[in-house]
Amino acid sequence: EDKVVQSPLSLVVHEGDTVTLNCSYEVTNFRSLLWYKQEKKAPTFLFMLTSSGIEKKSGRLSSILDKKELFSILNITATQTGDSAVYLCAVVKLNTDKLIFGTGTRLQVFP
Amino acid sequence: DAGVIQSPRHEVTEMGQEVTLRCKPISGHNSLFWYRQTMMRGLELLIYFNNNVPIDDSGMPEDRFSAKMPNASFSTLKIQPSEPRDSAVYFCASSLSAPGGELFFGEGSRLTVL
Repeated sequence: EDKVVQSPLSLVVHEGDTVTLNCSYEVTNFRSLLWYKQEKKAPTFLFMLTSSGIEKKSGRLSSILDKKELFSILNITATQTGDSAVYLCAVVKLNTDKLIFGTGTRLQVFP
Repeated sequence: DAGVIQSPRHEVTEMGQEVTLRCKPISGHNSLFWYRQTMMRGLELLIYFNNNVPIDDSGMPEDRFSAKMPNASFSTLKIQPSEPRDSAVYFCASSLSAPGGELFFGEGSRLTVL
């Protein structure tokens, strides 16, 4: 059965800290991995990763994929209170548009 | 540009009642998804459509749930009869059927079944 597992389940840090969120997957016919940020409402798109070893970066956020070891990490440097959210990882399989989501990591950043 | 539009935003109903959730995808998107989110189980895919045709409904929990997409700009998710365990946030999302598969989510419909 396809599986996407995120860790840690929750994380509490202070502003300025750096965090690393993990996503591992067991999925047949992998196509891509996506990261989403969910605050109070709908998930919003952060990154899409399809190739191993190529870092995607957006401001203080970056992400990388390892297709051999079947995992991805999302890094956030110099965290701010506005980074507080649930971060979701999802995998897309070949020949489908279906996203399989992990249960998410809840990040809380305190001032 | 309008995003994915869902209604109602909140619904409180009693057990046994019929619930209908509605979704208008982004114009031009040809895939539409219904997800359910709970604290315990996270985001679960219920069903998805491609070009208005149901492709995968393996996530639909049971016969009480049904979904339709009569045209490219409208979909419904119906629960009949509703039960307290159906309480959740139901998200509709749409995408262009292209490599990668970025989904655009609606704001969700929060359902509470008493």
